[in-house]
Amino acid sequence: NAGVTQTPKFRVLKTGQSMTLLCAQDMNHEYMYWYRQDPGMGLRLIHYSVGEGTTAKGEVPDGYNVSRLKKQNFLLGLESAAPSQTSVYFCASSYGVGRVETQYFGPGTRLLVL
Amino acid sequence: SQELEQSPQSLIVQEGKNLTINCTSSKTLYGLYWYKQKYGEGLIFLMMLQKGGEEKSHEKITAKLDEKKQQSSLHITASQPSHAGIYLCGAGLVGSQGNLIFGKGTKLSVKP
Repeated sequence: NAGVTQTPKFRVLKTGQSMTLLCAQDMNHEYMYWYRQDPGMGLRLIHYSVGEGTTAKGEVPDGYNVSRLKKQNFLLGLESAAPSQTSVYFCASSYGVGRVETQYFGPGTRLLVL
Repeated sequence: SQELEQSPQSLIVQEGKNLTINCTSSKTLYGLYWYKQKYGEGLIFLMMLQKGGEEKSHEKITAKLDEKKQQSSLHITASQPSHAGIYLCGAGLVGSQGNLIFGKGTKLSVKP
């Protein structure tokens, strides 16, 4: 039981390049989330999904797109990377809605945009 | 404005000392979560509090949620170097869509 895994662990991009971050969970969770963590800003929700085929915007969605084609996977895409997107990205999943359902986090992806 | 305030921002304690980290909101909290993060790693779930006045313990870590459900404290007894890391609180807030809001974290260093 791997829990929540993220690929890749670290990536360096040039401004304007695109990439996709992959999140996978094997806990059969309905809800999945993408956060970014920046110094002094804490964790901020980018997008989330309440089930296969659904996505919704979080607090800071601009510049990102997501897809949830399979229940166990949640992809985060950067179409044209910008230096402001340098951050650590965390994926999380939960069985149900966030108020009283524990979110379980992946190990993170460190992204540097030059 | 930050809806979930953590204090202190950082803390350095001598091994064996006790310490407390606070998490405060101006709104009523639903499930209050405490996580620990080591540098370069993900967030590890510690415990969740839901009811006013609730208290939970895990090994030497105790978390409490006040009766008004607007403040939580995390207390570590007889700190050890293994306790070092960043502690984050997360909570669902009244009026939110059910997603969690996180504090900015408290960085704990334990001197051997």
